[in-house]
Amino acid sequence: DAGVIQSPRHEVTEMGQEVTLRCKPISGHNSLFWYRQTMMRGLELLIYFNNNVPIDDSGMPEDRFSAKMPNASFSTLKIQPSEPRDSAVYFCASSWGRVSGYTFGSGTRLTVV
Amino acid sequence: DAKTTQPPSMDCAEGRAANLPCNHSTISGNEYVYWYRQIHSQGPQYIIHGLKNNETNEMASLIITEDRKSSTLILPHATLRDTAVYYCIVRLLNDYKLSFGAGTTVTVRA
Repeated sequence: DAGVIQSPRHEVTEMGQEVTLRCKPISGHNSLFWYRQTMMRGLELLIYFNNNVPIDDSGMPEDRFSAKMPNASFSTLKIQPSEPRDSAVYFCASSWGRVSGYTFGSGTRLTVV
Repeated sequence: DAKTTQPPSMDCAEGRAANLPCNHSTISGNEYVYWYRQIHSQGPQYIIHGLKNNETNEMASLIITEDRKSSTLILPHATLRDTAVYYCIVRLLNDYKLSFGAGTTVTVRA
């Protein structure tokens, strides 16, 4: 089991550019989460998918952020246009149901200059 | 509104047991206690969870007091690789949200 796979590991982009982060959850998991981590705000839940359907996107900071899960094995988080304050580490996590522990990916470190 | 209180930091000697406390005095009857840790530059890692009874797995033991107002995560033989931030989280069984607080920064020293 390769775990939750995120790409890229690091992304440096210029302000105003579109950024797409990718996530492959663990096979068989039906819940997927996108989190963001910054020094100031810690770990924050951005969006939660269950069976590929977005259930809660209240944590998505602005309309510049969007997330999709076209199938059970792939999800994307897009920022368009990106801003320097979007610089953070973005984590994807998956789980089977809600009781079991969540498995997090290694994260994507995004730097917007 | 924080549901848990943890000490900001603690040190532990390599090879000794590390006992990490967590207060959750307002926990309700159907809320579970979860522990995660985050090693530097990695994603959070699930450790263990419990409701009332003590739990043990290959990573750690979780001791929950009878009144459920506090708990202790025990790493039986701490190694340098256990140096991490440890998060104690209280959540309802049907609640998908994991609310991470500041956690306890545990440093294991040789």
